[in-house]
Amino acid sequence: DGGITQSPKYLFRKEGQNVTLSCEQNLNHDAMYWYRQDPGQGLRLIYYSQIVNDFQKGDIAEGYSVSREKKESFPLTVTSAQKNPTAFYLCASSTSQNRGSDYGYTFGSGTRLTVV
Amino acid sequence: DQQVKQNSPSLSVQEGRISILNCDYTNSMFDYFLWYKKYPAEGPTFLISISSIKDKNEDGRFTVFLNKSAKHLSLHIVPSQPGDSAVYFCAASSNTGNQFYFGTGTSLTVIP
Repeated sequence: DGGITQSPKYLFRKEGQNVTLSCEQNLNHDAMYWYRQDPGQGLRLIYYSQIVNDFQKGDIAEGYSVSREKKESFPLTVTSAQKNPTAFYLCASSTSQNRGSDYGYTFGSGTRLTVV
Repeated sequence: DQQVKQNSPSLSVQEGRISILNCDYTNSMFDYFLWYKKYPAEGPTFLISISSIKDKNEDGRFTVFLNKSAKHLSLHIVPSQPGDSAVYFCAASSNTGNQFYFGTGTSLTVIP
C-alpha cells in the first residue's frame, strides 16, 4: 500500500543536540511538507519542497533544516538553534501540479519530539 | 496573519444530531478547500473537499458548503456519531499557491 511514513513516533532530545526526523513516501508525490502542531495553534508550515534538490522556507523555518536528495525522502533536522522544539511534527506529501480528485495532502502519522 | 480561521476551538453535540463546523478565510484567491479529521497523536486524514466552482459537496454523512461572497465554508455532519469525535481542520489553497493554509482546528465531541 502506498503511504507516507514518519519515524520515530516518539523522540527525546537533550537541549543543545540536533535531531533528525525521518519522512518517506512511496506515493510518487512531487511535493513534500513539514508542519509543526502546538496546542491551540493549528498546523504551521516549516519547510516544503516541490522537486528534488529544491526546498523553500515556510512560516517558521528558523532553527530547522531540510534536504531533498531523493523524491521519496524529506528529512527534517531540528537544530539546537530552535528555541522551543518540543512539539508534534507532521510530514505531508502531495501531487503539486495536478488538481485532480486526489489533490490535497497525505499526512504521515507524526513524530512527537520532547526536549529534556 | 492567519488566512484561514476556525473561530470555535471546540464543539459538543449529542449523538444523532447535526454537527456544524465553520471556517472563514481572508484570501479571495483561495479556490480549493479541504477538511481534515485528526485524532490525538495521529496525522490528519482527508475528509472532504470542495472547489470554488461548486457551493456544495456531499459524501455520505458529510457535506461541505462554500459561500464565496462571505469567504466562509462549513462542514455538516449528519447524523453525528461518537466516532466523529476528533479535531477538524479546514485548509485552503489558491491555483497559484504552493501550499495549503490550515485553520487552528475545532475539537468536536459527540456525546453518546
